[in-house]
Amino acid sequence: NAGVMQNPRHLVRRRGQEARLRCSPMKGHSHVYWYRQLPEEGLKFMVYLQKENIIDESGMPKERFSAEFPKEGPSILRIQQVVRGDSAAYFCASSPSAGASNEKLFFGSGTQLSVL
Amino acid sequence: QQQVKQSPQSLIVQKGGISIINCAYENTAFDYFPWYQQFPGKGPALLIAIRPDVSEKKEGRFTISFNKSAKQFSLHIMDSQPGDSATYFCAALNTGTASKLTFGTGTRLQVTL
Repeated sequence: NAGVMQNPRHLVRRRGQEARLRCSPMKGHSHVYWYRQLPEEGLKFMVYLQKENIIDESGMPKERFSAEFPKEGPSILRIQQVVRGDSAAYFCASSPSAGASNEKLFFGSGTQLSVL
Repeated sequence: QQQVKQSPQSLIVQKGGISIINCAYENTAFDYFPWYQQFPGKGPALLIAIRPDVSEKKEGRFTISFNKSAKQFSLHIMDSQPGDSATYFCAALNTGTASKLTFGTGTRLQVTL
């Protein structure tokens, strides 16, 4: 009974490279959320996706960041041309497809991105 | 604009004591207030949640107190244990329109022996 799976757990990139973060939601969940956590700060919402649709991307930076949740496979958060300020922990959460889907989120263990 | 303010930033409590963490919100449209617990290297996990139609909710040693008029809510951990040492986040959500939880900045709790 796997929970939300994120990989890699740690990702090191040099400035200008691309970072790809993957998230497999819990079985039966079709709602995925990405959050970013900076040291000593709370989690900041980035994007909310359902299968093949971006529902709310109001927290995503306008440039270099993109997210997808294809019909098959994990959700991907992609950061192009990374900069040092992108260094953070990125958490994915999923929720059930039925009922009040917003209310109960299950979080993965996160991907710690370090940009050198 | 920080919509959910959380305090204190850190807290040290002796074993058996009461831990109290406070949050205040601004958006009166919020109607769901969860607390999350996060251990180092792990993602946050839902601990307990409350809706504004009640003033208190208790689950085991954890209690949420809610003051709608003051737009404040707090987490009380009774008989605090070393295993409770973690970072605690309050959050708020407008279940009607918004898809995203708004989190407080977190409180790092340390329970000493």
